[in-house]
Amino acid sequence: QVQLKETGPDLVQLTQTLSITCTVSGFSLTTYNVHWVRQPPGKGLEWMGAMWNGGGTDYNSAFKSRLSISRDTSKSQVFLKMNSLQTDDTAKYFCARQDNIGTTLDYWGQGVMVTVSS
Amino acid sequence: DIQMTQSPSSMSASLGDTVTINCLASQDIGNYLSWYQQKPGKSPKLMIYGATNLEDGVPSRFSGSRSGSDYSLTINSLGYDDEGIYHCHQYYEYPLTFGSGTKLEIK
Repeated sequence: QVQLKETGPDLVQLTQTLSITCTVSGFSLTTYNVHWVRQPPGKGLEWMGAMWNGGGTDYNSAFKSRLSISRDTSKSQVFLKMNSLQTDDTAKYFCARQDNIGTTLDYWGQGVMVTVSS
Repeated sequence: DIQMTQSPSSMSASLGDTVTINCLASQDIGNYLSWYQQKPGKSPKLMIYGATNLEDGVPSRFSGSRSGSDYSLTINSLGYDDEGIYHCHQYYEYPLTFGSGTKLEIK
């Protein structure tokens, strides 16, 4: 069955870099797109960016040049890397699957809660 | 960016009631609108896509509708399991955007 699972640190220091891995199963990264979405505590969902099935990426300009998304198809993994972390980057980070560019996000991982500490 | 204005932000209803949650898009998004249910500590679960299409396995008590740029999620015969936060989401244009969420409490 389709599964996505995020792994990453619970705590990151202010100004440091966040690295999260999304490991997928039940589908291929060369067929489906994978997106990153975050949710600060008690707040709404914010789209961060996407890894397209062809290997290209797209980013929310709100993250400017801080964000990088990459993948390793042989390991069925998609990686999120974001630098210069601030306290308002404290959030739950989710990866989610998309069938194609004109469809919605259908399966989501459980998420990983990251706290940025000063 | 497309703004999704969701209302109400919270609501309380009784077992068996019918409730409606609304989302207004700041520009035309066609039927590229989905609804998610999120339980505490869990990830969003897809309920409705294409504004009106029920995701497989979702009870028929849930329905979606559209009137112009206004989108609605209606839940009939409320049960305790319907408690949670509901999010609308547009996937017409990037960046993808979401409503601010509606917290539904069952009395």
